[in-house]
Amino acid sequence: NAGVTQTPKFQVLKTGQSMTLQCAQDMNHNSMYWYRQDPGMGLRLIYYSASEGTTDKGEVPNGYNVSRLNKREFSLRLESAAPSQTSVYFCASRLGQGANEQYFGPGTRLTVT
Amino acid sequence: GNSVTQMEGPVTLSEEAFLTINCTYTATGYPSLFWYVQYPGEGLQLLLKATKADDKGSNKGFEATYRKETTSFHLEKGSVQVSDSAVYFCALSEGGRRALTFGSGTRLQVQP
Repeated sequence: NAGVTQTPKFQVLKTGQSMTLQCAQDMNHNSMYWYRQDPGMGLRLIYYSASEGTTDKGEVPNGYNVSRLNKREFSLRLESAAPSQTSVYFCASRLGQGANEQYFGPGTRLTVT
Repeated sequence: GNSVTQMEGPVTLSEEAFLTINCTYTATGYPSLFWYVQYPGEGLQLLLKATKADDKGSNKGFEATYRKETTSFHLEKGSVQVSDSAVYFCALSEGGRRALTFGSGTRLQVQP
């Protein structure tokens, strides 16, 4: 049982390049989330998926798109990276059905130059 | 909207000292409250939680009590160890999506 996995662990992009961050969970959870972590600001919600086939914007969605490919996988895409998107990105999942706690992946550290 | 306020860090303590990290929140309804811990280079791990007023969450010697009257959820530990050095985040969740609203985090450094 690997929990929540994320790839890649590290990435450096040039301004304007695109990339997709991958996230998968093997806990049969219904809900999945993408957060970004910036120094001194805690984590902020980018996008959320309540279940397969549904997605919803969070607090800071601009510049990002998501795909809930199936129940296990939830990807985050940067179409045209900007230096302001330099951050650490965390994926999380939650069982749903009244359960409150979220389980986090190890994170992806992204630098945009 | 919802918000979480934590005490500024870093907090530096000697081993076996008593720890308190203050956390207060603002929410429109009746949130669930959490403490997460982040060790260097790792993701966040759930430390403890409380889902209703007066609940006490506890784990690994850490405790926090959900105080609705003071909108607080302070984290305490009676005797810290070097291995407790990490960043601690207070968070709440509310509403259908149950997304987490985080505080800014408090770095704890425990010296031998």
